[in-house]
Parts: sequence; C-alpha cells; structure tokens
Amino acid sequence: QSVLTQPPSVSGAPGQRVTISCTGSSSNIGAGYDVHWYQQLPGIAPKLLIYGDSSRPSGVPDRFSGSKSGTSASLAITGLQVEDEADYYCQSYDSSLSGYVFGTGTKVTVL
Amino acid sequence: EVQLVESGGVLVKAGGSLRLSCAASGFIVANAWMSWVRQAPGKGLEWVGRIKSQRDLETKDYAAPVKGRFTISRDDSENTLYLQMNSLKTEDTAVYYCTANLGDFLTFDYWGQGALVTVSS
Repeated sequence: QSVLTQPPSVSGAPGQRVTISCTGSSSNIGAGYDVHWYQQLPGIAPKLLIYGDSSRPSGVPDRFSGSKSGTSASLAITGLQVEDEADYYCQSYDSSLSGYVFGTGTKVTVL
Repeated sequence: EVQLVESGGVLVKAGGSLRLSCAASGFIVANAWMSWVRQAPGKGLEWVGRIKSQRDLETKDYAAPVKGRFTISRDDSENTLYLQMNSLKTEDTAVYYCTANLGDFLTFDYWGQGALVTVSS
C-alpha cells in the first residue's frame, strides 16, 4: 500500500513535454524528506533517475528534471523520446512508518 | 563497476522458508546501506528492509508486512547480503531486488537483476 500517489498513466507525442506528479503528506515529502525518481524499462530492474528532489546522476539526460513543493513533487520529461516509454516511481522516506516509501507508479506512453 | 547479483529465488509453499543471496562487487557491502525491495507481479515497488553500514552500527529496519518474519544479514568475508524469509505467505510472491546506497541520500543507487520468489498455497 503506497503512501505516495501518482497518476496511473501519462502520454505524449515525441518531442512533447510530460509531467508526473507525486503527492505525499506531512510525514514524508511535507516533512522535508528528499524525493527521488526511478525509471523502470519493461522487464528490467529500476534505475535511479533523479535524487535529492532535482539532481541527476551521471549519465541521465538533462531532458529529465525534478522539483518539489510542499507535500508534492514532480518529474518532467522534455523532448519526449520513444525510449522514455517506461514506468516511473517517486520515492521518499516516511517518519510515521520509519521506512522508505514509493509512489504508486506512472506508465509513460509515447504516442 | 558496481554489480549486484541475486540468487535463491524458487517456488515454495506457504508457511515455508527461503534465503535469498546478493553477491556484490565493485564496492564493500559493509560500508554501504543495503536494502531489499520487492515487486509483486504487475504491481509497484515496495521496500522490504534495510541494514545500515558497519560505521552506522548495522542497524536493521523492516517494513510492517515482513517484520518478525524476514531477516537481513551480511557476510563481510563474502561481500554478500542475505534475506532470510520465514513463514512465507502467498502475498510475498514477488521479484526481490537487492539494492545498494553508496551516497549521502536515502536512495537506492544500484539494483540487482532481481530474484523471483513464488509462494504457492
């Protein structure tokens, strides 16, 4: 049972910009814990995409960007490409649960 | 290069036990915060548990659904992480990923390829 809520799916044409929201509460994102994002291509283990709300690990294209405000965070993909078709998950820490929490996941489809 | 390779995933009956292994290379497991994350078929990601580094006193924490049934341990001489799973339930059926946190954030920086555990009734 995920405590971070994401839209089930988003879609866009190649070259377009799409955003994925991640809504939490006062015990996780709202408490100031960082939000991180993962990309999971079909049949493959997830990969860290964004850490510390808005930083990109080495090798991640700058088409991917993250932001956070209040109890929510967002992942934006600009210049959408076919290879971006994947599931995306946000992740944070929850003080009430004393553990890590993931978002419900969002499937990105490139039209 | 950091690599994590899980093994031990099998079909087991409800109530049974199983131990997963995660062989690490490219870094020292004792110096990292290591976690297990699982993904039920067609579902999202769920954190299972974590062991902190030696420096951080090897503190262990578990998610509520597995607390008291699952145990994380390490063999520093083998640079290997383990997940002992007891009293398995059908809802424990999932791909189990071994992950490593090597940075300063509460992230899962590196992932293994996953091990499928199927619990039958």
